[in-house]
Amino acid sequence: DTAVSQTPKYLVTQMGNDKSIKCEQNLGHDTMYWYKQDSKKFLKIMFSYNNKELIINETVPNRFSPKSPDKAHLNLHINSLELGDSAVYFCASSQGTALGYGYTFGSGTRLTVV
Amino acid sequence: QKEVEQNSGPLSVPEGAIASLNCTYSDRGSQSFFWYRQYSGKSPELIMFIYSNGDKEDGRFTAQLNKASQYVSLLIRDSQPSDSATYLCAVNINTGFQKLVFGTGTRLLVSP
Repeated sequence: DTAVSQTPKYLVTQMGNDKSIKCEQNLGHDTMYWYKQDSKKFLKIMFSYNNKELIINETVPNRFSPKSPDKAHLNLHINSLELGDSAVYFCASSQGTALGYGYTFGSGTRLTVV
Repeated sequence: QKEVEQNSGPLSVPEGAIASLNCTYSDRGSQSFFWYRQYSGKSPELIMFIYSNGDKEDGRFTAQLNKASQYVSLLIRDSQPSDSATYLCAVNINTGFQKLVFGTGTRLLVSP
């Protein structure tokens, strides 16, 4: 009964490959996010979807493609992976965008590009 | 200027002491302020949120907010070794849509 679940937990891949990360939440939230946490632990927002609509798209290379098939799911596809993409990617969700109660985070996907 | 600033630490305190973690933010329009705890290799976990000036207490944790000074802090009383973690300050920023912006975190070490 995990609230926000991500798969896979670990991903090791070679430069130039394409990979996807999946996220699902069972909290009934209508807003979902992708955050990237780099090696210095800085957590930076990448994308946000509200009811399947993209509402936040930070300055992210267009090799990154988010997709939300419904409000409970948010996926992230990354093309032509680069060494600098190595990080932990966190999915999160919230009820609305008013930030009344903060975000609930998934367990993270540690991506290593070699 | 960074949107949310924290001292990276580590902040070392002995068991039983009060740990004081500080955070400043740049957006005067921010309305919501959050403290997350992140253990090594784990995801951030929400421990406190505060909207109004003053103090908010929850168990051993007290969040303090001063909007005039754009300053938010977290006090942890009777610190335990299990409190050793990175504490992330997060502030809502309105750029047309609300988003949560995080500081780089303060690493807390509580020694037995």
